[in-house]
Amino acid sequence: DAGVTQSPTHLIKTRGQQVTLRCSPKSGHDTVSWYQQALGQGPQFIFQYYEEEERQRGNFPDRFSGHQFPNYSSELNVNALLLGDSALYLCASSFQGAGELFFGEGSRLTVL
Amino acid sequence: KQEVTQIPAALSVPEGENLVLNCSFTDSAIYNLQWFRQDPGKGLTSLLLIQSSQREQTSGRLNASLDKSSGRSTLYIAASQPGDSATYLCAVIGGATNKLIFGTGTLLAVQP
Repeated sequence: DAGVTQSPTHLIKTRGQQVTLRCSPKSGHDTVSWYQQALGQGPQFIFQYYEEEERQRGNFPDRFSGHQFPNYSSELNVNALLLGDSALYLCASSFQGAGELFFGEGSRLTVL
Repeated sequence: KQEVTQIPAALSVPEGENLVLNCSFTDSAIYNLQWFRQDPGKGLTSLLLIQSSQREQTSGRLNASLDKSSGRSTLYIAASQPGDSATYLCAVIGGATNKLIFGTGTLLAVQP
């Protein structure tokens, strides 16, 4: 039973570029949430996708956008990258947005 | 606005000791509380989920308690081992939001 998988594991971008991160939820899960974790901090909620729609959004600018596909996998897109976007981006999945959340290993983004 | 605090920020104990990690939250109207473990540079591993109607959950050497009225949860680790060294995060989920709000974590070091 595959858990939550994320790709890529590491990537380096320069300011102003765009990045796409990918997530496949745990088998049987239909809800995907994205979190940003800066060094030494707890994860911060970015947004949640269920039934291919953004259901909730945290306090992040419109540069952060996402998508959920019919197979429940999801993408996180960040445009016009800033140095402050450097962080570990975590994907979590759950069933119908409730219950226990399971996280992937994350994508480490470095913006130079 | 829900805020989650974890004390202590860091803890070092000799192998074999029993220890308690603390988590407090400001809004008692929570749906679930979840404890996670995070190894350096890695994703989050779910340890225990306590639903709002429950008082505690146990898994192996771990026991988590929840007191909603006082806004507190504790994670008890029995007979600590060097392999328990990691950052421990607690997170609450509100009934209306479906998003996790995290504390900043407790960095645990178990000395052999």
